[in-house]
Amino acid sequence: DAGITQSPRHKVTETGTPVTLRCHQTENHRYMYWYRQDPGHGLRLIHYSYGVKDTDKGEVSDGYSVSRSKTEDFLLTLESATSSQTSVYFCAISEVPTWISTDTQYFGPGTRLTVL
Amino acid sequence: DAKTTQPTSMDCAEGRAANLPCNHSTISGNEYVYWYRQIHSQGPQYIIHGLKNNETNEMASLIITEDRKSSTLILPHATLRDTAVYYCIVRVSLMNRDDKIIFGKGTRLHILP
Repeated sequence: DAGITQSPRHKVTETGTPVTLRCHQTENHRYMYWYRQDPGHGLRLIHYSYGVKDTDKGEVSDGYSVSRSKTEDFLLTLESATSSQTSVYFCAISEVPTWISTDTQYFGPGTRLTVL
Repeated sequence: DAKTTQPTSMDCAEGRAANLPCNHSTISGNEYVYWYRQIHSQGPQYIIHGLKNNETNEMASLIITEDRKSSTLILPHATLRDTAVYYCIVRVSLMNRDDKIIFGKGTRLHILP
């Protein structure tokens, strides 16, 4: 299995509080992604990174920000959590970007976030 | 919206071949078909992908119709550990950076003992 860890694995928080999720990889892959998974929607891309300090928005980026100060870490921040952000969050990595290569992504174990 | 259509759920007896269909009638000539699966509470796992030729690896086989409008993932000898949601995904245009992978709802496969 690809070396991807996510922390925390579970978190319960209250509306309006900031939350940061961490994705850590040991594969030295350039590209990293954050997805959320909700019933009836499959996986949806939130943000992605194509290098240190290089990030871009995905299809559901509102209410989220990301940072990548090191190759191995990709942080997802909810500045002020809302109940609609209750979801399972997955981090993924790839050696080359998914939009120009047939290479595959590898996914982390996921973080279950509940916003009360 | 996902560009693929899959049955919501399927059952398969343990030890038998599981055949999971996927329709992708609007697939473009430069788009690949990918299959992932997700076991409960785990991240998605890559299974196999193909363009137009049939493909086989240690996990599964992928059969793509000649017109490329549909495909079938075959798990040759299903085990209880193959119970998962299986996603058929059409990889977006290779040269368009703004396109993103879109996961649909997938097929929930139940392997019956």
